[in-house]
Order: sequence, then C-alpha cells, then structure tokens
Amino acid sequence: GENVEQHPSTLSVQEGDSAVIKCTYSDSASNYFPWYKQELGKRPQLIIDIRSNVGEKKDQRIAVTLNKTAKHFSLHITETQPEDSAVYFCAARDRNTGGFKTIFGAGTRLFVKA
Amino acid sequence: DGGITQSPKYLFRKEGQNVTLSCEQNLNHDAMYWYRQDPGQGLRLIYYSQIVNDFQKGDIAEGYSVSREKKESFPLTVTSAQKNPTAFYLCASSPRQGGTDTQYFGPGTRLTVL
Repeated sequence: GENVEQHPSTLSVQEGDSAVIKCTYSDSASNYFPWYKQELGKRPQLIIDIRSNVGEKKDQRIAVTLNKTAKHFSLHITETQPEDSAVYFCAARDRNTGGFKTIFGAGTRLFVKA
Repeated sequence: DGGITQSPKYLFRKEGQNVTLSCEQNLNHDAMYWYRQDPGQGLRLIYYSQIVNDFQKGDIAEGYSVSREKKESFPLTVTSAQKNPTAFYLCASSPRQGGTDTQYFGPGTRLTVL
C-alpha cells in the first residue's frame, strides 16, 4: 500500500519569509494529493490539493508542486504570517483500495515568529 | 465541513468499558471515515464506509467496531479490547465513492481513559 513521508517535522520561520514542506509517496498509481492545515485542538481543513495531471497549483500565498517521476510533492507558503502557525499534513490517495484510503504524512508543525 | 458533527467533544471512559462516538453528516456524502490521531502524529485510518450497510477495516481496526445503517450516520464503538484508546478521534466524509474527492472532517472527539 501507499506510504507517505513528510519533512521537516518542525519548521520555524520569521514572519514574511517563505516556508516549504516536502512529502514523498511510494505508490506511483496515487493520483490525488491534498494538504490539510490543523490548528491546535481543531479539525484538519483542506487548504489546497493537486491532481496527478498537473505539476503545480497556486492559491494566493499557497502553492503546491508535484513531481510524479520522483514521487514527491511540496507545499510552499510565501509571505508567512503568524496565523499560518499550525500543523500541516500532506496526503496521498491510495488507488489500491479503489481510491478510498487517504494516507497521511506525520505532519509538520510550522511556527511563524512575529 | 460544517455539515459534519461529532459528539461528544470530550469523553472519559473507565477501563473495561465500551463507548460509542457519534458522527453525523448532512452533506449527502456517500463515503465516511474514522481516523485516530495521537499527539505529534498523523491520522491513522480505523474504518471506512463506501455506502450504507457496508464498511471496511482500515489500518488500525482492532478494538473498534462501526455500523452504517443510515447514510448520514457512522458511529464508532471503542471496545474494551482496544488497549490504548486515549486519543483524538476524527470522522470525515467525502461526496462519492473513491475517485479524487476531498475528505471533510468533523470537529473531533477527545477520548480519555481514566
């Protein structure tokens, strides 16, 4: 089945700087890669996703890139703000079970220092 | 994701007791999921259901049971066989079976074993 690895586990940046979180996946058949943001004690919320037929997607300060050949995808946050501080999870959709299982990375705790 | 509710928000259980966590959605979603989240870790899939009266085990199903008698409801029972049940439990749903549909999460139930 699918395995997703996420790095770094903790990331601290200065307000206004960029933050990059990287994930790798093992199943080349996976075709959907969502990113979730989870604030302390709250539910994960989708912030951006990418499908395997595109290499990059952008939504304001957030962008995701996908390299299918290397089986890795990354989240880029520009002009970081203190409210970006949260745990971010990458995920990949496991096609081996008909696409029902989403495999999550272990998460990256992002601290944005004012 | 405001259409997914979980109750209770906090739950305390004595060792040896079974407890049931509620998950309801009014989004008309076909698929529903249960995840467990431990501190500093990602989300691990317990059970998922593609349609009414059908469900499959996830990666950590031992000690848990579910039912899907109605499309809107997917309750999770944590049995006394679950050795370490203290965790944050998240329910999710997605519009269609499989494919690349996004999962939307409920607010979670924090279970503590006393």
